[in-house]
Amino acid sequence: SQELEQSPQSLIVQEGKNLTINCTSSKTLYGLYWYKQKYGEGLIFLMMLQKGGEEKSHEKITAKLDEKKQQSSLHITASQPSHAGIYLCGADGAGGYQKVTFGIGTKLQVIP
Amino acid sequence: DAGITQSPRHKVTETGTPVTLRCHQTENHRYMYWYRQDPGHGLRLIHYSYGVKDTDKGEVSDGYSVSRSKTEDFLLTLESATSSQTSVYFCAISELPTDTQYFGPGTRLTVL
Repeated sequence: SQELEQSPQSLIVQEGKNLTINCTSSKTLYGLYWYKQKYGEGLIFLMMLQKGGEEKSHEKITAKLDEKKQQSSLHITASQPSHAGIYLCGADGAGGYQKVTFGIGTKLQVIP
Repeated sequence: DAGITQSPRHKVTETGTPVTLRCHQTENHRYMYWYRQDPGHGLRLIHYSYGVKDTDKGEVSDGYSVSRSKTEDFLLTLESATSSQTSVYFCAISELPTDTQYFGPGTRLTVL
């Protein structure tokens, strides 16, 4: 079965600093999702990447997919307290049906 | 935001009692999913549905059953709750198997 490893597991940054979260898959990536979860709440969809080399941005968050490395990175520029939460990556399984595997998550704290 | 509600949002119950969690959607999406989220494990798929009365098992289906008699409702039942089923349960929906999944707010279940 596919496994996703996220690094780092937790991160504390000063407001205004940039940061990167990585998600590495044990198998070929067919589609990679990034979600954000605030404590005690549901998952909010951020972005989906499907093709190698694809890069998407939403406000100050940019995600890239490196198909060869079976890895995706999520980069936040000039972090703000509103960016705090848990970031999860999820990957599509193969076979024509969607059974998404999720990473454990990266906990981000932004200190004002 | 996707129209997904979960009820109850919090529940405390005792070992051996039956518990039913409800997921309700207003998006008319075909696919619905139940996940559980636990520290150190991330999100794990319990069961999913690809249409009314059409369901299939996920990664951690033992001890759980589901039913979908209407497009908008997906029920998760713990026939005899155990302490190992203490978790946060999330419902998700998607229109197609390859579409992005959108999540509900979650139900925090404690089994004493």
